[in-house]
This record gives sequence, structure tokens and C-alpha cells, in this order.
Amino acid sequence: EPEVTQTPSHQVTQMGQEVILRCVPISNHLYFYWYRQILGQKVEFLVSFYNNEISEKSEIFDDQFSVERPDGSNFTLKIRSTKLEDSAMYFCASTGLAGGNTGELFFGEGSRLTVL
Amino acid sequence: AQSVTQLGSHVSVSEGALVLLRCNYSSSVPPYLFWYVQYPNQGLQLLLKYTTGATLVKGINGFEAEFKKSETSFHLTKPSAHMSDAAEYFCAVRGNNRLAFGKGNQVVVIP
Repeated sequence: EPEVTQTPSHQVTQMGQEVILRCVPISNHLYFYWYRQILGQKVEFLVSFYNNEISEKSEIFDDQFSVERPDGSNFTLKIRSTKLEDSAMYFCASTGLAGGNTGELFFGEGSRLTVL
Repeated sequence: AQSVTQLGSHVSVSEGALVLLRCNYSSSVPPYLFWYVQYPNQGLQLLLKYTTGATLVKGINGFEAEFKKSETSFHLTKPSAHMSDAAEYFCAVRGNNRLAFGKGNQVVVIP
């Protein structure tokens, strides 16, 4: 069964370092997302991506964050200069249709980022 | 904007007892509603969803949820809890091509 895959599963980094989280969405999907979950808090929307550009972003997604689909299969989230408060589980998701007849997002297993 | 409220972060239930997780939503448009489950060290997995049609929705692992528009609710139930149901459960509402999640319920099953 097709699935969304994410790497790394866990990354530990020093404050101020750049981090890239990678995702391979389901191959025929068109919309891609990043969400994050700070420990003990809600799963929060960061950004959606369609047709090689950001379609929507939240107030969390500031200039320190960027997304890219470099090669038609990978979808990356870059944090330019990590802060302690960026420590969270980051989830990638994809879906096949705009809005979707099903509306369902398919999620990866997450990448846990720990900023020291 | 869409939002979801889930009360009670931790829910303890005895094995064999009813599981009831409450979800209330706010949506300016007819909602698409979802329950996702997260098992330890795994990603978010869809349990069930409501889009249109029948308001009682059945999902995987014996779970079901009922959409009640008058109560703006989408509560999740399972008649008899199993040890394997221990996980975190998230209610979500879809709008504007994104999901808004509740805070989640950590379910603990007591033998």
C-alpha cells in the first residue's frame, strides 16, 4: 500500500543550525503538507504546497522555514536557524485531489526534531 | 476558520468497557470530519471520516463515530476496549484544504 515516508525519524541539532527534513509523498498525490506537534500540544498546520508553490501557510511558518520539491518526488522542510522552540514532531502529509473527494490526508510517521 | 475541541487529554478505560472520546467542532462550511489514531512511534493513521451521507460512520478496529450537526459533535466510540487500542486519538476538521486538529486524547487501557 502506498505510504508517505519521512527521514530522518529523529534528529538532534544545536540551536542556530540548519535542519532539512525530508518527505516522499505518495506518488500520484498533488497536495503536500507539513504539520508539527510540540510535545503535549495540538498537531498544528505549517504549510501546504501545490503546483510547485506554497498555497497556504500558517503564522508559525515564518522566514526561518522554507519548503521545496526539488526533484518531483521529495518534499523538504528546511529550518534555517533552529531555535529551542522548534523542537517538535514534524509530520508530512499528502492528498490526491484539491480539497479532495475524500478530504483525507495521508501522513508519514513523523520526524522528531530535538534542538539543544 | 475551522477548529476542534477535545476535552480530557488522558482517558483511562478498562479492557472490555466502552470507549468514548468526545469531539466538538466549529466550521463555517459543511464540515469534513476525521478521527486519526497515533500508535506509539508511528504516524497518524486514519480511523474513520465523515464527508456526506450517513451520519453514523464505521471505521477500522471496531470504532465508529456519529456526526450530529445540531450538537456540532463527532464523538468516537468503541463498544469494548482492547489492550491494542492504547494510543493517541485526534479529531480533525477539514476546511480551506487543510486539517485543523484537536489536542488529542491519550487512551490508556487498564487490564
